[in-house]
Amino acid sequence: AQSVTQLDSHVSVSEGTPVLLRCNYSSSYSPSLFWYVQHPNKGLQLLLKYTSAATLVKGINGFEAEFKKSETSFHLTKPSAHMSDAAEYFCVVIPDEDSSYKLIFGSGTRLLVRP
Amino acid sequence: GAGVSQSPSNKVTEKGKDVELRCDPISGHTALYWYRQRLGQGLEFLIYFQGNSAPDKSGLPSDRFSAERTGESVSTLTIQRTQQEDSAVYLCASSPLMGFGTDTQYFGPGTRLTVL
Repeated sequence: AQSVTQLDSHVSVSEGTPVLLRCNYSSSYSPSLFWYVQHPNKGLQLLLKYTSAATLVKGINGFEAEFKKSETSFHLTKPSAHMSDAAEYFCVVIPDEDSSYKLIFGSGTRLLVRP
Repeated sequence: GAGVSQSPSNKVTEKGKDVELRCDPISGHTALYWYRQRLGQGLEFLIYFQGNSAPDKSGLPSDRFSAERTGESVSTLTIQRTQQEDSAVYLCASSPLMGFGTDTQYFGPGTRLTVL
């Protein structure tokens, strides 16, 4: 069965330093992967998605993620954190092509940004 | 344009009562989804509507849960005889195309349900 594992429940960085949020996936085929962000009291927002095109995917707000099949990883990065990046981040995989609408969410990583 | 809206934003109810949660999708979106998010966890898929096709109810946790959607408009999620384990944030999403996985889902702000 397809699944995603977010390796850190909390990540804390200083403003202006790099961000790395880790995600590993399990899939029996070439998956589609997403990162969503959830700000407090706001709806989930799509940051970026990988759909078997370029392995390095650029998203909104300066975030990017690299699909590495050999490592079954899809880590989210940003060169320089901003205070407004503080939020919960979810790595998401599509379970299979027949039920491609049933997004499978990781447990989330809460990003804290220190001034 | 307006995004996905949900009401109420918060609902507190007593164990055993029925509750009804509402979702207004983005106009023109054919696909609609309900998810549940328990505290500290990711989202769990509940149900999927696509146009006039039969909904995929495979994620509903028990027969106390049901959902309806009229055409391509409003959807309601009903929980009968609520239990404390039903306490969660219930999120609705909609998407514009045929509901394929790469079709971006747009999420509402959610309804926080607390069952006392």
